[in-house]
Amino acid sequence: GDSVTQMEGPVTLSEEAFLTINCTYTATGYPSLFWYVQYPGEGLQLLLKATKADDKGSNKGFEATYRKETTSFHLEKGSVQVSDSAVYFCALSFNTGNQFYFGTGTSLTVIP
Amino acid sequence: DGGITQSPKYLFRKEGQNVTLSCEQNLNHDAMYWYRQDPGQGLRLIYYSQIVNDFQKGDIAEGYSVSREKKESFPLTVTSAQKNPTAFYLCASRGIAGTRVENEQFFGPGTRLTVL
Repeated sequence: GDSVTQMEGPVTLSEEAFLTINCTYTATGYPSLFWYVQYPGEGLQLLLKATKADDKGSNKGFEATYRKETTSFHLEKGSVQVSDSAVYFCALSFNTGNQFYFGTGTSLTVIP
Repeated sequence: DGGITQSPKYLFRKEGQNVTLSCEQNLNHDAMYWYRQDPGQGLRLIYYSQIVNDFQKGDIAEGYSVSREKKESFPLTVTSAQKNPTAFYLCASRGIAGTRVENEQFFGPGTRLTVL
């Protein structure tokens, strides 16, 4: 079935370090891929998305490229800040149907 | 501003009582969802609704019920049959088909339910 697997946390980085959170997916068909971010005690917010192979989503210094050949959508940021501390979720959905598939989330803590 | 509201933010109930969590949206979205999130875990789908007066069970529907009498509203009732109801509950909607956001989910701020 369709699913998302993402890197387990927690991840702790120093400010200005490079971030990678791995995400791979299994899907029958051609899904859209997403990264959502959740700050403590809040709902999820869309961080970025890509709707087809080789698309790159980007927002707030974060980037992820839709790699069909490796079924991956890894999240990267060149220099993290304390304010990036949150839980990050990788997700996929299709144009048809109504289901969304989320990874288990990766907790990131950035220390000054 | 359009969005999803959930109320209350924190809810406390005694064991054995039913409780209803509110979810309202003014985005004109057809599809709405309820998820449960437990500490350190991902999202688990409880129920979803594609249109008014229609809804389907998700992966963990037992002990929960929903209604969809209006497009804007999708309340979730946590019944006494739910064995472990203490959790963070998230309501979401899906972007309108044919628009730039058709595959995106939009989330409310969540309700933290604690059963004492």
